[in-house]
Amino acid sequence: GAVVSQHPSWVICKSGTSVKIECRSLDFQATTMFWYRQFPKQSLMLMATSNEGSKATYEQGVEKDKFLINHASLTLSTLTVTSAHPEDSSFYICSASFGGAKGNTEAFFGQGTRLTVV
Amino acid sequence: GQNIDQPTEMTATEGAIVQINCTYQTSGFNGLFWYQQHAGEAPTFLSYNVLDGLEEKGRFSSFLSRSKGYSYLLLKELQMKDSASYLCAVRDSNYQLIWGAGTKLIIKP
Repeated sequence: GAVVSQHPSWVICKSGTSVKIECRSLDFQATTMFWYRQFPKQSLMLMATSNEGSKATYEQGVEKDKFLINHASLTLSTLTVTSAHPEDSSFYICSASFGGAKGNTEAFFGQGTRLTVV
Repeated sequence: GQNIDQPTEMTATEGAIVQINCTYQTSGFNGLFWYQQHAGEAPTFLSYNVLDGLEEKGRFSSFLSRSKGYSYLLLKELQMKDSASYLCAVRDSNYQLIWGAGTKLIIKP
């Protein structure tokens, strides 16, 4: 199956600093990537949809100025958590699928990034 | 609103069979997915149903009834490594994946 690589797998940062998470599709071109957040014992919550070459579409309640998404190429999307606070500590996961947003295949997930803000 | 329901937790015995149910109410339907997620890891794809009926893949099978808004994941010959959370997700009319909260499956020897 297709491979999506996410980096780093875990990060600890100080409150007030920014953290960048990378998501790469290694063997296919992903016109659309999705960013999720998952708190312990809860389901995946879609944060935003990242489209190559255009602005990301954010879900209601997600601050676009705090969670900066850049989809600079067909194989790379980045999520930057700016001025991170302890409540931003969570498991962040990216995914991509063939055919962009309307692909009818399964979503392939990155390994996830465990962010801890201290 | 959109809603996907699945049991919070289930327990089964190694070697046995378990069925995890999922019911959904979504705005449109473009397929239902089952994923397995081990603690601290990203979900991995198990199955995809878009037409009514049963899809079999080794020890795992998934069933769909669109008229009833219902699906189940059937796991046979359970192994200890099957202990994980199982997530049901529906792709709605906007091709967004709507996720259930997941069912934590505990396998006992």
